[in-house]
Amino acid sequence: KAGVTQTPRYLIKTRGQQVTLSCSPISGHRSVSWYQQTPGQGLQFLFEYFSETQRNKGNFPGRFSGRQFSNSRSEMNVSTLELGDSALYLCASSARTGTNTEAFFGQGTRLTVV
Amino acid sequence: GESVGLHLPTLSVQEGDNSIINCAYSNSASDYFIWYKQESGKGPQFIIDIRSNMDKRQGQRVTVLLNKTVKHLSLQIAATQPGDSAVYFCAATHSGTYKYIFGTGTRLKVLA
Repeated sequence: KAGVTQTPRYLIKTRGQQVTLSCSPISGHRSVSWYQQTPGQGLQFLFEYFSETQRNKGNFPGRFSGRQFSNSRSEMNVSTLELGDSALYLCASSARTGTNTEAFFGQGTRLTVV
Repeated sequence: GESVGLHLPTLSVQEGDNSIINCAYSNSASDYFIWYKQESGKGPQFIIDIRSNMDKRQGQRVTVLLNKTVKHLSLQIAATQPGDSAVYFCAATHSGTYKYIFGTGTRLKVLA
């Protein structure tokens, strides 16, 4: 079955702009999580959505937001971009069956803020 | 806050040797752990997981050991191959949160 799909793969934006990233989870998976990966901070949890509701949130400013649609697809938005937002943004999907199951990652969206 | 740390940023091993990558976690409530492999330009790829009611789990050429007493887990790769060269992450979570805390990663280099 198809894996986690993230679009676009690469983005270049200017400081102050906003950006929307998209994630399509594995078919049947209802949980989508977002992570930011940078060389200095590693993989950091942004938030998790399940059944269109945000279930968990990491320690990121309110400029980072997300949503999930009824088909489990998710989008992440970053407003008023800063240079420090340059990172690889990863989406992971999970079946969330009541006990923890593995999270499967997409290829990521590489965001560069100039 | 809770954290997950890896002991070595880089590990170099000879092809054919066994590799051991270590990880420590801080949250004693963590009860589910995953090891991921990330190759350049790709997202993390699931390798193996273990729940806190187990001490050891084996996969194909990989073994994960969990020591809850000292909050430590390790990934052992048998007969390391060039294709194993990548960055390895451990991740920890506790039931129901689906929030994984990742370690900083160990880069495994396989020497021919």
